[in-house]
Amino acid sequence: AQSVTQLDSQVPVFEEAPVELRCNYSSSVSVYLFWYVQYPNQGLQLLLKYLSGSTLVKGINGFEAEFNKSQTSFHLRKPSVHISDTAEYFCAVSESGGSYIPTFGRGTSLIVHP
Amino acid sequence: DTAVSQTPKYLVTQMGNDKSIKCEQNLGHDTMYWYKQDSKKFLKIMFSYNNKELIINETVPNRFSPKSPDKAHLNLHINSLELGDSAVYFCASSPLYKTGSGPDTGYTFGSGTRLTVV
Repeated sequence: AQSVTQLDSQVPVFEEAPVELRCNYSSSVSVYLFWYVQYPNQGLQLLLKYLSGSTLVKGINGFEAEFNKSQTSFHLRKPSVHISDTAEYFCAVSESGGSYIPTFGRGTSLIVHP
Repeated sequence: DTAVSQTPKYLVTQMGNDKSIKCEQNLGHDTMYWYKQDSKKFLKIMFSYNNKELIINETVPNRFSPKSPDKAHLNLHINSLELGDSAVYFCASSPLYKTGSGPDTGYTFGSGTRLTVV
């Protein structure tokens, strides 16, 4: 069974600074990887996904993530954050050829300060 | 048009009551889900229906019963509510679920129902 670890529960950063939210996964088979964002009092919204092909994936709102198979990581990055990026970010993994039901990490709260 | 809509958005009720949460999606997806998000934001799948058929039923008390009248609707009924049921419940949908084939395209989530049991 797959598992996901988001190493940081909270990441404070100043506006216009770069940010990286870390995600590591564990699985014995090939995986699909996702990042979701949850704004306050809202549902989760898909930011980006890795299914296959290029390991650098670009998503909405200027975010990108890089799949690193050897390090079993899928870290999320943005070169310059805005106040409006303040939200909870969830990494998720599902196993190809399996049930496709993703396992979610426990979330990282990104707090952008002016 | 809201893609996945849940009602009600907030639900406050007393212990022992029975309540329902409704979910509808207009995306034409075949698969729908219920997730529970606890106070620490941990997301755990509860149920999944594919075209009105129950396909995933995680370890959830029998007091929780999903019902799917058609593939666009998945409702959640909860009997004899307990304090520990307080959480945010999310409905989600995705294209056809099929074990062992096809890429996973991700979910579309509703905005959640915050259930508070007092």
